[in-house]
Amino acid sequence: GNSVTQMEGPVTLSEEAFLTINCTYTATGYPSLFWYVQYPGEGLQLLLKATKADDKGSNKGFEATYRKETTSFHLEKGSVQVSDSAVYFCALNNNDMRFGAGTRLTVKP
Amino acid sequence: NAGVTQTPKFQVLKTGQSMTLQCAQDMNHEYMSWYRQDPGMGLRLIHYSVGAGITDQGEVPNGYNVSRSTTEDFPLRLLSAAPSQTSVYFCASSTSGSGSYNEQFFGPGTRLTVL
Repeated sequence: GNSVTQMEGPVTLSEEAFLTINCTYTATGYPSLFWYVQYPGEGLQLLLKATKADDKGSNKGFEATYRKETTSFHLEKGSVQVSDSAVYFCALNNNDMRFGAGTRLTVKP
Repeated sequence: NAGVTQTPKFQVLKTGQSMTLQCAQDMNHEYMSWYRQDPGMGLRLIHYSVGAGITDQGEVPNGYNVSRSTTEDFPLRLLSAAPSQTSVYFCASSTSGSGSYNEQFFGPGTRLTVL
């Protein structure tokens, strides 16, 4: 079946540090891949997406590349800010949505 | 547009009570869904609907009922609440569930505690 495995947190970084949150998936066919972000007390918001192999999704300095050969969609940001503190969810859609467990990121000044 | 709205924001129930979580969207989306979010488990799909009059079960449907009489509304009913249903519930909508590239828009969530 379809599933998503993402790096367990929590992750704590200093401001301007480099961020990587790993995400791998299992699916048949060609799913679409997403990263969602959840700020405290809010629902999930789409951060970026990629719909086919080798696509790179990007938004607000975050990037992720759809790697079919490694079934991965790792989230990266070159320089994190305190305002990036949130929970990040990797997800796939292969005619139904599956989410990873979420990774809590805390960025300290 | 208000997007996806959910009521109530918080609810405390006793075991055995029933209640309905409300969800509405004003984006004319065909696809709507309910998830529960539990620590360390991400979001799990409870029920979904691909249009008015059509509903189907997701990953964890037991103990929950849904109906979709209009495009806008998709209420979730707990028939007899159990402590295992303590969770945060999110409603989401998108233009079509069959389009795998479609973004889902989420409501702010309902935090439910069952004593």
